[in-house]
Amino acid sequence: NAGVTQTPKFRVLKTGQSMTLLCAQDMNHEYMYWYRQDPGMGLRLIHYSVGEGTTAKGEVPDGYNVSRLKKQNFLLGLESAAPSQTSVYFCASSELSRFYEQYFGPGTRLTVT
Amino acid sequence: QQPVQSPQAVILREGEDAVINCSSSKALYSVHWYRQKHGEAPVFLMILLKGGEQKGHEKISASFNEKKQQSSLYLTASQLSYSGTYFCGTGSNSGYALNFGKGTSLLVTP
Repeated sequence: NAGVTQTPKFRVLKTGQSMTLLCAQDMNHEYMYWYRQDPGMGLRLIHYSVGEGTTAKGEVPDGYNVSRLKKQNFLLGLESAAPSQTSVYFCASSELSRFYEQYFGPGTRLTVT
Repeated sequence: QQPVQSPQAVILREGEDAVINCSSSKALYSVHWYRQKHGEAPVFLMILLKGGEQKGHEKISASFNEKKQQSSLYLTASQLSYSGTYFCGTGSNSGYALNFGKGTSLLVTP
């Protein structure tokens, strides 16, 4: 059981470039989430999904898009990266009946120059 | 909507006790505690539901006072392994997602 995995672990982008972060979970969880973590700001929810084919906006969705075409995968896209998107990105998943117990991936450290 | 945690940082000697508080301006139905060790992902510790029930995990326990809209995390006889950042999370409007506080950094020294 790999749990929640994230690809890539590190990435450096130039302003204006695009990229996709991949999150995969093998626990058959219904819910999946994308957070960003910045120093002194805690974890802030970007987007989340309550099932395959559904997505919803979180607290800080601007500049990001997501897709959940398969239950086990949740993709986070940055269409035109900005320095303000430099952050550590965490993906998490949880099961239907225990949504509050979220399992987090190892994180992706993204730097936008 | 983001809950407020206090203190922001705590430094303890091994064996000492600590309390971390989490409060919200909105009515709370549940509070969730997570711990994140340096360079790692956050890990779920416990959930407290409306009713003031106190929960425990190792020598870490927590209480929930829905009238005061706050929760407190108690770390008793702290161990070096308790070092990390503690986050509280509260339910959001969606019902599925959590709003996390900014975290409390805890450092336990020998």
